[in-house]
Amino acid sequence: DTEVTQTPKHLVMGMTNKKSLKCEQHMGHRAMYWYKQKAKKPPELMFVYSYEKLSINESVPSRFSPECPNSSLLNLHLHALQPEDSALYLCASSHGQGSGGYTFGSGTRLTVV
Amino acid sequence: AQSVTQLDSQVPVFEEAPVELRCNYSSSVSVYLFWYVQYPNQGLQLLLKYLSGSTLVKGINGFEAEFNKSQTSFHLRKPSVHISDTAEYFCAVSFYNTDKLIFGTGTRLQVFP
Repeated sequence: DTEVTQTPKHLVMGMTNKKSLKCEQHMGHRAMYWYKQKAKKPPELMFVYSYEKLSINESVPSRFSPECPNSSLLNLHLHALQPEDSALYLCASSHGQGSGGYTFGSGTRLTVV
Repeated sequence: AQSVTQLDSQVPVFEEAPVELRCNYSSSVSVYLFWYVQYPNQGLQLLLKYLSGSTLVKGINGFEAEFNKSQTSFHLRKPSVHISDTAEYFCAVSFYNTDKLIFGTGTRLQVFP
């Protein structure tokens, strides 16, 4: 299995809702990532988990809460989002420290209304 | 500071013509270099990567890139483009002994018939 699977593919949520994005990989990668991509912009790094521990948080607002239940799963919990949080959220995984490249999922298209 | 730059935001080209998309980086440590392609409303697909060894790297879809350490560049080339190559292309860099992967601002390749 050489894929990163993200669910759901599309999500519409209200500003008072709580929702979660899910990401799964079975490549034995030890590092997992969340990126946010606005239209016509490059992906921006949000969080990095290494060996199931949060290693990088790029000063992301607390309304985004990551969780890594095990080495194959990565969640992003969403609460009280704003319309400007609407974006494509990409998950990625790697062996870590640039050792082999990064595999990206196809993303979750999030719309906050 | 560590950074990656794509100077060309858009590159228009006619079908069957050659193309070069430029990427430069800045780093005080060793780097690993990647090119990704993103088609509309899709995730990121890896075109090619440079980790070590031969500086000329061949990727999918007929693309290749050359790592030039003295010029800190990793330009992407294709000798003859197709309409289907129309997409956004991102150069990305990760730095030795870190888990971070950062992206350039992207180049929109537009192929005309």
